Amino acid sequence: ETAVFQTPNYHVTQVGNEVSFNCKQTLGHDTMYWYKQDSKKLLKIMFSYNNKQLIVNETVPRRFSPQSSDKAHLNLRIKSVEPEDSAVYLCASSRDWGAQDTQYFGPGTRLLVL
Amino acid sequence: QQKVQQSPESLIVPEGGMASLNCTFSDRNSQYFWWYRQHSGEGPKALMSIFSNGDKKEGRFTAHLNKASLYVSLHIKDSQPSDSALYFCAGNTDKVVFGTGTRLQVSP
Repeated sequence: ETAVFQTPNYHVTQVGNEVSFNCKQTLGHDTMYWYKQDSKKLLKIMFSYNNKQLIVNETVPRRFSPQSSDKAHLNLRIKSVEPEDSAVYLCASSRDWGAQDTQYFGPGTRLLVL
Repeated sequence: QQKVQQSPESLIVPEGGMASLNCTFSDRNSQYFWWYRQHSGEGPKALMSIFSNGDKKEGRFTAHLNKASLYVSLHIKDSQPSDSALYFCAGNTDKVVFGTGTRLQVSP
């Protein structure tokens, strides 16, 4: 049962273009995340938002920027994509920012940069 | 920075067999741990959490935690082909850190 929705499923683009990915959760959670999963399947956190406030901003290139309109939505924009940005981008949510809160993931957006 | 190492990298078990996955953490401040499972083309899904030392059993899955040794394991009894997936352990200090993953294949 999907409760974290991501669009698009798949996106192919050229180097230098701008892309935007959308994420919506219907769980009523306060915290949302963006992860990057590379070709080796490693999961690396990029950003965390709690109640529309940025609380974690890992060392990612400046061309990545998260956008949150409300606590149910967290989008990701990439300005001027690079080949190394090819990956699966996973959105997740958790009830709160508490240490004990399980994360619920969406199906991911696969990005291919040519 | 927390480092989470999983072993083995990949594992093949026969249907009906036992799969054992291992995870070690570097940060002694870790208190809360999870096992996630990711099927191909999907996002990870939490299998179970374990917060206290000892064993926790949920159906065919048993997690074991030893905080002093910074060690977590997952045992899958009576493995099924549908258990074939990528398994991650995760631990939380100031943020959740995921392990490197173990790819499990259950052969019919």
